Amino acid sequence: DVKVTQSSRYLVKRTGEKVFLECVQDMDHENMFWYRQDPGLGLRLIYFSYDVKMKEKGDIPEGYSVSREKKERFSLILESASTNQTSMYLCASSLGLAGGSTDTQYFGPGTRLTVL
Amino acid sequence: KQEVTQIPAALSVPEGENLVLNCSFTDSAIYNLQWFRQDPGKGLTSLLLIQSSQREQTSGRLNASLDKSSGRSTLYIAASQPGDSATYLCAVAPGGYQKVTFGTGTKLQVIP
Repeated sequence: DVKVTQSSRYLVKRTGEKVFLECVQDMDHENMFWYRQDPGLGLRLIYFSYDVKMKEKGDIPEGYSVSREKKERFSLILESASTNQTSMYLCASSLGLAGGSTDTQYFGPGTRLTVL
Repeated sequence: KQEVTQIPAALSVPEGENLVLNCSFTDSAIYNLQWFRQDPGKGLTSLLLIQSSQREQTSGRLNASLDKSSGRSTLYIAASQPGDSATYLCAVAPGGYQKVTFGTGTKLQVIP
């Protein structure tokens, strides 16, 4: 079974803090994704990566950055957390052999981040 | 820009009823369509994936259909159970390295 793990289920941070969200997958997947999910807005793609050291902006990259130094790990960084970044953050990975967006995405359990 | 809509946003049915969830999309140039389930406070779990060349896929009590020309997919759940209560999302993949677009989901409650 594919397993995608996220470093924290719940996180509370203060405005202005630098926040790291970690995601690890154990199935040698090529592709990894970070989404945020908000009521009424659905899932919105923040960043994605189709290879180690590679990253691409999604729909809402402002205020975020990412790092993928190793194939299995994809980190989301909030450089200076703000209250409007309070959300559920979901990481996903996919195999990637047939092309970037065409394989089943496997999701982690999510991190509910609250910024005070 | 692809838009994916799921109506209704919420649905409540008595246990044992057969039900249909709807997903519509504006751009028919898709590679595949996927249905996910999400339990409260959890991540998404893949249920069914339909390739653009397919008309339907089945898994147990679930059957998903795809009509690309009309921009619609349905998820049929037979003999619903309280354990089916969750939010169901559809997602459309355009192919290549373009991003997947998710619907906002239908929250299903099955009443015992």
